[in-house]
Amino acid sequence: GAGVSQSPRYKVAKRGQDVALRCDPISGHVSLFWYQQALGQGPEFLTYFQNEAQLDKSGLPSDRFFAERPEGSVSTLKIQRTQQEDSAVYLCASSPQQGAYEQYFGPGTRLTVT
Amino acid sequence: GNSVTQTEGPVTLSEEAFLTINCTYTATGYPSLFWYVQYPGEGLQLLLKATKADDKGSNKGFEATYRKETTSFHLEKGSVQVSDSAVYFCALLKTGANNLFFGTGTRLTVIP
Repeated sequence: GAGVSQSPRYKVAKRGQDVALRCDPISGHVSLFWYQQALGQGPEFLTYFQNEAQLDKSGLPSDRFFAERPEGSVSTLKIQRTQQEDSAVYLCASSPQQGAYEQYFGPGTRLTVT
Repeated sequence: GNSVTQTEGPVTLSEEAFLTINCTYTATGYPSLFWYVQYPGEGLQLLLKATKADDKGSNKGFEATYRKETTSFHLEKGSVQVSDSAVYFCALLKTGANNLFFGTGTRLTVIP
C-alpha cells in the first residue's frame, strides 16, 4: 500500500519567505509527527498530532513554525520568515496507534534557505 | 535528560565482514529502543526494536540486545552485504512520551 508521502521533495526559499510543507500520512493512521533533521544529525522532534488535535508542540523551535492537521489526515508544516538556520530535511511520520511506538516515515522535504 | 550516543561514522567494511555499531543511552525509567535505517534517497525504516531489558530485536540478519546494566543496544550483523550500505540511527522512546529521540546516525559503506 501507499506509504507516507511528502511534498515538495525539495524546496529552495529566499531568507524571509514563508514556506508550506505537506505530509500525506498512511490512510487511517491516527498519529502524525514532524521532525527536523539537520545535515549530519539525527531527526529532532517538532510536533505531534493525534487525529486533528495537536497534543505536543514542544519541539517547535520558534513561533515562526506552525503545524496543522485540520481534518485529521493531511498535515502542513508552515515556516514563516525563513532563516538560514531553518535549512534542514523535514520528516513526517505517521502511526496507526496513539503515541510514538510504531512510526512510518516519509522521504522528507529538503528545505534550503538562501 | 535523554541522550543517545552511537558510533561515529563513517564506517567502511568489506563485504562479508562483521559489523558492530555501538549505541548507549541515557534515560530515566525503561525506554523502548530502536534501530532505524535510511537507505540513499529513501525515508527512515524501522530495522528492529526491543521494549524491555534482555530483549533481542532481530531483522534481516541484524541483531541488537537491550542491556539495561550497560544502557546499551549495540547493532550487529555477522556478514554485511553491499546492499547494507546506509545510515543507521539508534533511537529511544520513553514510556508515555510522544516522540522518538535519535542518535546522530552512523553511515555504513560496504565495499565489494
